[in-house]
Amino acid sequence: GENVEQHPSTLSVQEGDSAVIKCTYSDSASNYFPWYKQELGKRPQLIIDIRSNVGEKKDQRIAVTLNKTAKHFSLHITETQPEDSAVYFCAGYDNFNKFYFGSGTKLNVKP
Amino acid sequence: SAVISQKPSRDICQRGTSLTIQCQVDSQVTMMFWYRQQPGQSLTLIATANQGSEATYESGFVIDKFPISRPNLTFSTLTVSNMSPEDSSIYLCSVRTASYEQYFGPGTRLTVT
Repeated sequence: GENVEQHPSTLSVQEGDSAVIKCTYSDSASNYFPWYKQELGKRPQLIIDIRSNVGEKKDQRIAVTLNKTAKHFSLHITETQPEDSAVYFCAGYDNFNKFYFGSGTKLNVKP
Repeated sequence: SAVISQKPSRDICQRGTSLTIQCQVDSQVTMMFWYRQQPGQSLTLIATANQGSEATYESGFVIDKFPISRPNLTFSTLTVSNMSPEDSSIYLCSVRTASYEQYFGPGTRLTVT
């Protein structure tokens, strides 16, 4: 099955700075890569995703990039705000209809 | 997207007992999943709930411990059987749409004493 590794495990930035979270995957057949944000005590929420036929996708302050050759994808958050503080999970999806989640990154945005 | 509800939202149970968690979706979905999330940890897939057939379990999870039902395309249950304190966790159901987007229910926080 797919193996997804996520770095860093914790990330602390100053409000207004950018944050980057990186994930690598093992299965070259993976073709869909979502990112989830989980606030304390809440369910994971899908915030952005990218498919293997696209190299980059943006949604306001959030962007995701995908490098299929290197088998890694990254989440970029610009102009961070305190409400961006949460745990972020990446995931890979294999051809057996299953998601494999990264270990999570706890982002702390300091006001 | 899909609107997913779970019942109960939380429960405290005694060891040796069983708890059944219900998951209801507001639209028909092909793929439903059950996950477990320990505090501060990532999401671990327990099983895929298959409509009309036996669930498909991940390594480390067995049907006798986590029986799952999926009677139709909008509903599923997960039972945690013969509970021990190690089963204390958050259990989440999840659905995947035809365009691969996956959404989660609010979770059931289980504490076993």
